[in-house]
Amino acid sequence: GENVEQHPSTLSVQEGDSAVIKCTYSDSASNYFPWYKQELGKRPQLIIDIRSNVGEKKDQRIAVTLNKTAKHFSLHITETQPEDSAVYFCAASMSNAGNMLTFGGGTRLMVKP
Amino acid sequence: NAGVTQTPKFRILKIGQSMTLQCAQDMNHNYMYWYRQDPGMGLKLIYYSVGAGITDKGEVPNGYNVSRSTTEDFPLRLELAAPSQTSVYFCASSYNSQGDGTEAFFGQGTRLTVV
Repeated sequence: GENVEQHPSTLSVQEGDSAVIKCTYSDSASNYFPWYKQELGKRPQLIIDIRSNVGEKKDQRIAVTLNKTAKHFSLHITETQPEDSAVYFCAASMSNAGNMLTFGGGTRLMVKP
Repeated sequence: NAGVTQTPKFRILKIGQSMTLQCAQDMNHNYMYWYRQDPGMGLKLIYYSVGAGITDKGEVPNGYNVSRSTTEDFPLRLELAAPSQTSVYFCASSYNSQGDGTEAFFGQGTRLTVV
């Protein structure tokens, strides 16, 4: 089955700095790559996603890049704010496997004011 | 729309007891999923369903059962609860057409402790 690795497990940045979280996946058939943000005690919520036919996608301060050849994708957050502090999960899914999401282990992002 | 609703929010079970975690969605989503999240860890798929009457195992199905008799409901049954099943359980749903993945919407979670 699919395996998703996520790094780093914790990331501390100063407010206003950029944060980058990286994920790798194992199955080249994966074709959908969402990123979820989970605040303490809350449910995961989608912040951005990318499909395998696109190399990059941006939404305000958040961007995701995908390298299909290397089988890795990254989340970039610019101008970080204290409210960006949360756990971020990457995931991968493939349409021939029920579109079930395989999650990475998560990155705890702390933005220091 | 309420989205994905899970009940109960919290539950304490004794070893060997059984229970059903309820999940309902009102978005007419065809795909539904059950995940568990252990403290400080990512989410692991227990079972999923691509439509009413169809269910399949995920990564960690042992000790659990599911059914999908309607599009809206996807209950998760725990038989003979064990301490290893202490976790937060999330139900999720998505609408998938033409085979491609789409956003999964999560319920608020059920925090289960087995003692």
